[in-house]
Amino acid sequence: AQSVTQLDSHVSVSEGTPVLLRCNYSSSYSPSLFWYVQHPNKGLQLLLKYTSAATLVKGINGFEAEFKKSETSFHLTKPSAHMSDAAEYFCVVSDLTSGTYKYIFGTGTRLKVLA
Amino acid sequence: NAGVTQTPKFQVLKTGQSMTLQCAQDMNHNSMYWYRQDPGMGLRLIYYSASEGTTDKGEVPNGYNVSRLNKREFSLRLESAAPSQTSVYFCASSRDTEAFFGQGTRLTVV
Repeated sequence: AQSVTQLDSHVSVSEGTPVLLRCNYSSSYSPSLFWYVQHPNKGLQLLLKYTSAATLVKGINGFEAEFKKSETSFHLTKPSAHMSDAAEYFCVVSDLTSGTYKYIFGTGTRLKVLA
Repeated sequence: NAGVTQTPKFQVLKTGQSMTLQCAQDMNHNSMYWYRQDPGMGLRLIYYSASEGTTDKGEVPNGYNVSRLNKREFSLRLESAAPSQTSVYFCASSRDTEAFFGQGTRLTVV
């Protein structure tokens, strides 16, 4: 079965400094991986997705993630944090079971951006 | 574009009461899902439906039932609400490998 582990439940960065949110996955085949963001009391917004094309994936709002099969990782990065990036971030792997995709979520990383 | 629409947005129930959460999508997706979100646990799959007329249990199905009324609609029913079902519920639909989520229903059971 597929699974994801988000290595940090909370991350704090200063505005203007780099962001790194870590995610490791477990998959028996080449997975599809996603990062979603959830702002307080809001729904989920797709930041980016990896579906076996380029290993470096660029998303919205300056975020990107690199798929590293040898390390089973899909870490999310941004060169310079903005106050508006403060939110909860979820790493997600899709699990194809009986022809239907299910989406397995990590436990989330709450990003705090300090002024 | 409406996408995935959930109703209601907020609900307070007394223990033992029943209710149905509604979800509709206008993207002609075959697959639909119900998740619950609890602090520190991410989103956990309750039930999913691969197509109209089919439903399957996810990770945490106990205490819930679902109905895939047609291709657009997928409802979640709590027959006898318990405080442990206090959560935020998200409906989603998918095409290929990408899922689209509703805005959530915040349910409190007292």
